[in-house]
Amino acid sequence: AQSVTQLGSHVSVSEGALVLLRCNYSSSVPPYLFWYVQYPNQGLQLLLKYTSAATLVKGINGFEAEFKKSETSFHLTKPSAHMSDAAEYFCAVKERGGADGLTFGKGTHLIIQP
Amino acid sequence: ETGVTQSPTHLIKTRGQQVTLRCSSQSGHNTVSWYQQALGQGPQFIFQYYREEENGRGNFPPRFSGLQFPNYSSELNVNALELDDSALYLCASSLAAQEYEQYFGPGTRLTVT
Repeated sequence: AQSVTQLGSHVSVSEGALVLLRCNYSSSVPPYLFWYVQYPNQGLQLLLKYTSAATLVKGINGFEAEFKKSETSFHLTKPSAHMSDAAEYFCAVKERGGADGLTFGKGTHLIIQP
Repeated sequence: ETGVTQSPTHLIKTRGQQVTLRCSSQSGHNTVSWYQQALGQGPQFIFQYYREEENGRGNFPPRFSGLQFPNYSSELNVNALELDDSALYLCASSLAAQEYEQYFGPGTRLTVT
């Protein structure tokens, strides 16, 4: 069974500071990994995904994440936070070839301080 | 290209009633998945449909059922509603050959009183 752990239900950073959102996963086989963002009262928007190519994945809005197999981690970073980045962020894992859908973490609420 | 759409946007039902939620997949997508997102939680996988058949299911009771139509649109039906069914219900579509590309709709907010 797969699982995702997001460390920190709330993360607060100053505008212009580095954003680091942590995600660790558990999977019996190399999975697909994802980061989604959710703004209030909206659905999920895909930020980036890891599918087995480069371990450093670049996404939209300046976000990137690095797949580290040895640490079973897929942390999300952005060099400089913007006020518009304030949202809920979800890390998710999916078994390759399976029909079990995505398994999501509980989410991290990102707060940007002016 | 039309994205994933869901209807209705909001819905209020009484405990014990039945509800049907609808989803239109992104153009060309043949697989649809449904998720339940309780307040303050991450989405939880309910089930997935491919070629009009359920081919994957999460830990949800049988009173959660679905349909996928030939045009790849989908319905989620919930019978005997319980208070804990209050949540945002999200639909996601994808191509079976590109299972890692799931596009989500805006969701339907269901409130059970």
